Amino acid sequence: GQQLNQSPQSMFIQEGEDVSMNCTSSSIFNTWLWYKQDPGEGPVLLIALYKAGELTSNGRLTAQFGITRKDSFLNISASIPSDVGIYFCATGAQKLVFGQGTRLTINP
Amino acid sequence: DSGVTQTPKHLITATGQRVTLRCSPRSGDLSVYWYQQSLDQGLQFLIQYYNGEERAKGNILERFSAQQFPDLHSELNLSSLELGDSALYFCASSVFDRATGNTIYFGEGSWLTVV
Repeated sequence: GQQLNQSPQSMFIQEGEDVSMNCTSSSIFNTWLWYKQDPGEGPVLLIALYKAGELTSNGRLTAQFGITRKDSFLNISASIPSDVGIYFCATGAQKLVFGQGTRLTINP
Repeated sequence: DSGVTQTPKHLITATGQRVTLRCSPRSGDLSVYWYQQSLDQGLQFLIQYYNGEERAKGNILERFSAQQFPDLHSELNLSSLELGDSALYFCASSVFDRATGNTIYFGEGSWLTVV
């Protein structure tokens, strides 16, 4: 089945640092989505990308849809404590497939 | 608030029992998805329904079944429960857009603990 490789699996950073994570696939997709999940809650959609090369921002978050349509990255600038959580990339057509997640921990 | 409602939020039951999880999708969304998330695991796709019909199937066990009703709400039935079935079960819904495909929105999940 379709598999997404999301990296890194975890990150430990200082407050104020920038964060970068990415997702790659062996298949071409038309959509890339980035979600954030807080403990015990459902994933919340952060950014949706629908076009190869597209660069989209949502506050301090920026995501890009790779030109090859096989990858995407998410950047968080000037991290703050509430950025802590698990970030998932997702893509797919009929069924959305998720990466394994990047667990972000921030030291104040 | 995503607009997707799941009940119950928490459920504790014994092995061998059967439970039903309920989901109300966002208003207007025709597709409902069920995902399972075990402790420290990613999201595993179980099944998708579109307007009452099964559309896609993932790694759903034979002991599990789902359906979508005419009012578009959905139920996930888990039977002969085992300890390993303890997990967060998420429902999500979406409306398909020809230009953008499926963008799905998740409910807050149902915590199932099997003891």
